[in-house]
Amino acid sequence: AQSVTQPDIHITVSEGASLELRCNYSYGATPYLFWYVQSPGQGLQLLLKYFSGDTLVQGIKGFEAEFKRSQSSFNLRKPSVHWSDAAEYFCAVGPFNTNAGKSTFGDGTTLTVKP
Amino acid sequence: DGGITQSPKYLFRKEGQNVTLSCEQNLNHDAMYWYRQDPGQGLRLIYYSQIVNDFQKGDIAEGYSVSREKKESFPLTVTSAQKNPTAFYLCASSIYRAHSNQPQHFGDGTRLSIL
Repeated sequence: AQSVTQPDIHITVSEGASLELRCNYSYGATPYLFWYVQSPGQGLQLLLKYFSGDTLVQGIKGFEAEFKRSQSSFNLRKPSVHWSDAAEYFCAVGPFNTNAGKSTFGDGTTLTVKP
Repeated sequence: DGGITQSPKYLFRKEGQNVTLSCEQNLNHDAMYWYRQDPGQGLRLIYYSQIVNDFQKGDIAEGYSVSREKKESFPLTVTSAQKNPTAFYLCASSIYRAHSNQPQHFGDGTRLSIL
């Protein structure tokens, strides 16, 4: 069965510092990988996705993520964090060769940004 | 602009009462999903539907029911059998293609509380 692990429940960084949020997945084939962001009381917004090809993917709001098959990881990065980036971040993995069309979500990482 | 509309934003349920959460999308997506979100537990799939007049149970379907009579609409009923309904409920939709997986678009959620 597929699964997603986000090892860090809560991360605090200073504004302007770099950020890396970790995501590890378990899936037997090539996964479809996503990062979403959720502001308090809101739905989830897609930041970026990886389906195939270049393992470094660019997303919205200056985020990027790198797919590393050997480490089963899809970590999210941003070179300089802004106060508005404070939110909860979810990694998700989608099945490949199936018609279930479902995604499995990690438990989320809450990002706090210090001034 | 296309999107997903969830209503109401806040909902209160009395003991023994059924309540229905609305989800409407104008994205022309085939697939729709309902998730429950509790603090620290990420998103858990309740029900999903890949096509009109068909739906499947997710991981935590007990105490919930759905219908999919129209492509645009996927209402969720929280029945009196759901003993712990207090949570944030998220509706999502996506393009459905066999052997593929598309990112999900989310509504802004409904927060359900017990009176």
